[in-house]
Amino acid sequence: GAGVSQTPSNKVTEKGKYVELRCDPISGHTALYWYRQSLGQGPEFLIYFQGTGAADDSGLPNDRFFAVRPEGSVSTLKIQRTERGDSAVYLCASSSSQGALGYTFGSGTRLTVV
Amino acid sequence: GENVEQHPSTLSVQEGDSAVIKCTYSDSASNYFPWYKQELGKGPQLIIDIRSNVGEKKDQRIAVTLNKTAKHFSLHITETQPEDSAVYFCAANRGANSKLTFGKGITLSVRP
Repeated sequence: GAGVSQTPSNKVTEKGKYVELRCDPISGHTALYWYRQSLGQGPEFLIYFQGTGAADDSGLPNDRFFAVRPEGSVSTLKIQRTERGDSAVYLCASSSSQGALGYTFGSGTRLTVV
Repeated sequence: GENVEQHPSTLSVQEGDSAVIKCTYSDSASNYFPWYKQELGKGPQLIIDIRSNVGEKKDQRIAVTLNKTAKHFSLHITETQPEDSAVYFCAANRGANSKLTFGKGITLSVRP
């Protein structure tokens, strides 16, 4: 597609439930990033994929968070046993490989845990 | 790790005036400094970036300057327009395929 697509755009879930957030990067972009943005803050890094592998997952806050990118294209961020503190906008970005540093972000998924 | 700070947190200017937004960073190994504009309900959009081997870069009404010695960089917007009103984020990283560290953002309001 023309841009980075994230679905759903909004997700409301109950505390303790499991959620999956999907990201479709720009076609051909091998690098994919997940960030989390809380209200009034800048995006905070969660995980970075180069192809199918997670090259850097140092930003994942704990083991309730997990992300996959099995075919090197679409990625899914998975959150288990959601907590109210997980409420935020989850942003996905992609870029072409080897030095093209200008990310293209999607519009994000607004997650609300009630 | 890297720490990026933005000052001020809000800025209001009259249409047609210039706006300057400043950022500081802590990691001397950082060598890439992008600026993003975020409108309500949308993801951040890259508007300009600069690498450490360059001191200034311009793109129409927007420019970025970098002072590596002082570890700060600034976004300059000239002839501001109401559509420039948004949240602006600065960021820094060590280069290709590494994570970006963002500042907290500044809300720019351009008064018609």
